[in-house]
Amino acid sequence: DQQVKQNSPSLSVQEGRISILNCDYTNSMFDYFLWYKKYPAEGPTFLISISSIKDKNEDGRFTVFLNKSAKHLSLHIVPSQPGDSAVYFCAASVGGSQGNLIFGKGTKLSVKP
Amino acid sequence: DAGVIQSPRHEVTEMGQEVTLRCKPISGHDYLFWYRQTMMRGLELLIYFNNNVPIDDSGMPEDRFSAKMPNASFSTLKIQPSEPRDSAVYFCASTSDSMNTEAFFGQGTRLTVV
Repeated sequence: DQQVKQNSPSLSVQEGRISILNCDYTNSMFDYFLWYKKYPAEGPTFLISISSIKDKNEDGRFTVFLNKSAKHLSLHIVPSQPGDSAVYFCAASVGGSQGNLIFGKGTKLSVKP
Repeated sequence: DAGVIQSPRHEVTEMGQEVTLRCKPISGHDYLFWYRQTMMRGLELLIYFNNNVPIDDSGMPEDRFSAKMPNASFSTLKIQPSEPRDSAVYFCASTSDSMNTEAFFGQGTRLTVV
């Protein structure tokens, strides 16, 4: 049973518009959430994270929102750029521990010029 | 630091052969992880080490898979014998012993078993 779900395998957005990537989780013990970005033939790279004590974290064009009651988080990219085209993985863990970091299957974002 | 270094980048082997994947974590990192990425299952954690000691290997799919970390700067993931269903991209990642810190991934090894 998947504890972290990214139900949209792909998303296509026009350059300059907002990209919204969604992630749902089932384990209420998760208290630390991360987004990773992955380009082809490269390893995932950390993008942004959020602790469960917050409901929003912003870093430049990237904002992550956390809705604990709905067990849902989302990543907003504004404005989207062609260089943002990549696969985005949502991940979650308990106690901030990396040892049990659980990943979703990823969403492939395509930003069209 | 050069980041997490994995070798080889690509490996093609015949079914039944032994395969060894290698990883050099970032210097000073206490945790090392091995992940496998497939289309069907996404990124799965196979095993992780803390201070060179295996902590959780429940993700290792079968006894054909084994991992070692003889010292703080080197780890191997071995598959013996390899099977076509082992074909995947294998990632190594490392992080420091601090709460709420992200893991840094290597570039991965693309394994093809024919």
